[in-house]
Amino acid sequence: AQTVTQSQPEMSVQEAETVTLSCTYDTSESDYYLFWYKQPPSRQMILVIRQEAYKQQNATENRFSVNFQKAAKSFSLKISDSQLGDAAMYFCAHRSLTSGTYKYIFGTGTRLKVLA
Amino acid sequence: DTGVSQNPRHKITKRGQNVTFRCDPISEHNRLYWYRQTLGQGPEFLTYFQNEAQLEKSRLLSDRFSAERPKGSFSTLEIQRTEQGDSAMYLCASSSYLPPPGQGTGNTIYFGEGSWLTVV
Repeated sequence: AQTVTQSQPEMSVQEAETVTLSCTYDTSESDYYLFWYKQPPSRQMILVIRQEAYKQQNATENRFSVNFQKAAKSFSLKISDSQLGDAAMYFCAHRSLTSGTYKYIFGTGTRLKVLA
Repeated sequence: DTGVSQNPRHKITKRGQNVTFRCDPISEHNRLYWYRQTLGQGPEFLTYFQNEAQLEKSRLLSDRFSAERPKGSFSTLEIQRTEQGDSAMYLCASSSYLPPPGQGTGNTIYFGEGSWLTVV
């Protein structure tokens, strides 16, 4: 069964600095999707970025980028030029493409604090 | 508003009562998901539908929980004989293989704002 692990319960970053959130996953498949979602306090979970496993190029979305290491089963999120509005819980998620299930498996999250 | 809509947003109920949550997915999304989230934890998968068919259920979904998606549009999640351990946020999400115009990428789930349940 697929599992997603986020080993950093909490991280802090100074405003305008860069921070990296870690995620590892376990799967026996070669084709899948990976996602980072952001959940601000008492607000809706929104997609930050996603990566298709068959793509070697790391996804980027403005100040957000990922470091996808398929062999190591690692999928970290880098936030550049951190802003106060980036403060939130961040969840890493995996979805299989070949196991016949369409469910998304989430990690336990990393709380990001942005210091002014 | 073309986002995922959930109601009620908050529900306080006495132990033993039944509660029902409703989810309206993004229009034309054929897949609909229910997750449960407790404070400080990630979303835990409960069940999902493709159109009106319930394709997978988690072992977390005891026989007190039932979900339906009649006609493949909105969905309801009912919890019977609620227990204090059912207190959580119940999240609904939807997705489609191909995204509707202007609504992002396919095979990505989009969440509603959640329905908070407190059992007293």
